[in-house]
Amino acid sequence: EVQLVESGGGLPQPGGSLRLSCAASGFTFDDYTMHWVRQVPGKGLEWVAGINWNSRSVAYAESVRGRFTISRDNGKNSLHLDMHSLRSDDTAFYYCAKDKEVGATAYYFDSWGQGTLVTASS
Amino acid sequence: EIVLTQSPATLSVSPGERATLSCRASQFIKTDLAWYQHKPGQPPRLLIHGASSRATGIPARFSGSGSGTEFTLTISTLQSEDFAVYYCQHYNTWPPPFGGGTKVEIK
Repeated sequence: EVQLVESGGGLPQPGGSLRLSCAASGFTFDDYTMHWVRQVPGKGLEWVAGINWNSRSVAYAESVRGRFTISRDNGKNSLHLDMHSLRSDDTAFYYCAKDKEVGATAYYFDSWGQGTLVTASS
Repeated sequence: EIVLTQSPATLSVSPGERATLSCRASQFIKTDLAWYQHKPGQPPRLLIHGASSRATGIPARFSGSGSGTEFTLTISTLQSEDFAVYYCQHYNTWPPPFGGGTKVEIK
């Protein structure tokens, strides 16, 4: 069974930094592109960033480009999101999500973690 | 950038009835469309991909149709566990946009 468990959420000050992590199990982690998707409470879903299996291809939403960095450690089956220069509009639940396609990036998601809440507010 | 517009924003339906949700794309997207179900306190769940293919373990009462710019998610006989928010999403593109969601509530 695929399991994705996020951690690292919290209450950073605006302008601050935070690192989110996602522990993956139940599948061959390095076969898949992985993503972060967020949801502002009460609002819709927004794709944030994606990283392919060997970390050679990364992509970001325009809203976070230059402030967030996605990375992965295939040896530890883990995904990370380093968030800097946080703004109040980054406040959201952040979900780790697995790409549906093996060995490719399709940008849709067949498994999700439970999410971790980031509240960037003074 | 492609925009997905979902309608209605809220759909009030009685258990046992049919629900029909719409998703319109601002440009032609073939059948590169997925649908997700999202309940409070839970992660989103993939229901449909390729506009009409059910994901693993999804009951047959969920069906998707459409291509190009007009798409539909139909829940044939609503069960109590189906009351949730439903999102469409275009994929095989960067950035992958989501629609604004349709909340299916109990009438």
